[in-house]
Amino acid sequence: AQSVTQLGSHVSVSEGALVLLRCNYSSSVPPYLFWYVQDPNQGLQLLLKYTSAATLVKGINGFEAEFKKSETSFHLTKPSAHMSDAAEYFCAVGSGTASKLTFGTGTRLQVTL
Amino acid sequence: DADVTQTPRNRITKTGKRIMLECSQTKGHDRMYWYRQDPGLGLQLIYYSFDVKDINKGEISDGYSVSRQAQAKFSLSLESAIPNQTALYFCATSDSKRYTDTQYFGPGTRLTVL
Repeated sequence: AQSVTQLGSHVSVSEGALVLLRCNYSSSVPPYLFWYVQDPNQGLQLLLKYTSAATLVKGINGFEAEFKKSETSFHLTKPSAHMSDAAEYFCAVGSGTASKLTFGTGTRLQVTL
Repeated sequence: DADVTQTPRNRITKTGKRIMLECSQTKGHDRMYWYRQDPGLGLQLIYYSFDVKDINKGEISDGYSVSRQAQAKFSLSLESAIPNQTALYFCATSDSKRYTDTQYFGPGTRLTVL
C-alpha cells in the first residue's frame, strides 16, 4: 500500500523568495516519487522524479527535490520564486512496477509581488 | 502535436445522458489510465488498462465504463451522467518497459453535468 500527504493546500510566497512544498509518503516497497505541476491548459506536466538513483533530483524550471528515506519525505524547493511558478503542484508515489501512481491532494502555490 | 490528446476539452450535459470521453496517444505506450480531479481531492483513479485485453477498476469506478479500442485509444463512458460526476477528467499513459511509473497526461476534459 502507498499514500502521499501534501502539507498545506495553499502556499503563498513573495517573488524572489524560497519555495518549499512539502510531501511525505508511505510505501511498503522502495518508492518512486514524482512532482507534477498543473497548467490550466496543458494538464499535468512532470517536474521531476526520483527513481532510486541520486537522492537530490533536479527538474525543470529550477525546481529540485530531495529524497529523505529517514523522514519519508520528498519536498519540492526552488531558491527564487517567479510569478510564472504560480500553479497547483502534485506529489505522487509509485512502486517501480510501471503500474499505478498514488497522488496527493495538491498544493496551490501563489506568488505575490 | 501533443502526445496525449483528449476530446472533447469541455462538455456540458444533462443528468441521465450518456457521455463518452476519448483519449488518444502517439507515445507508443502500452498502459493507459483515466483519472478524475475534484478540488481538494487530488487525482483519483477510475480505470486503467495495461494492454488492449487487460482492463482494471480503479478507486472510483462506479458509474463509469471504459473501452480500449486499440493500443493508442482508451475511452471513458458515463452511461447515465449525474451531477456529482462534474469534474476534470484526465487520461494518462505509461510505458511498462521502463519500470519508472512515469505517467504522461493529456490536457484534460472539463465535464459539467446539470
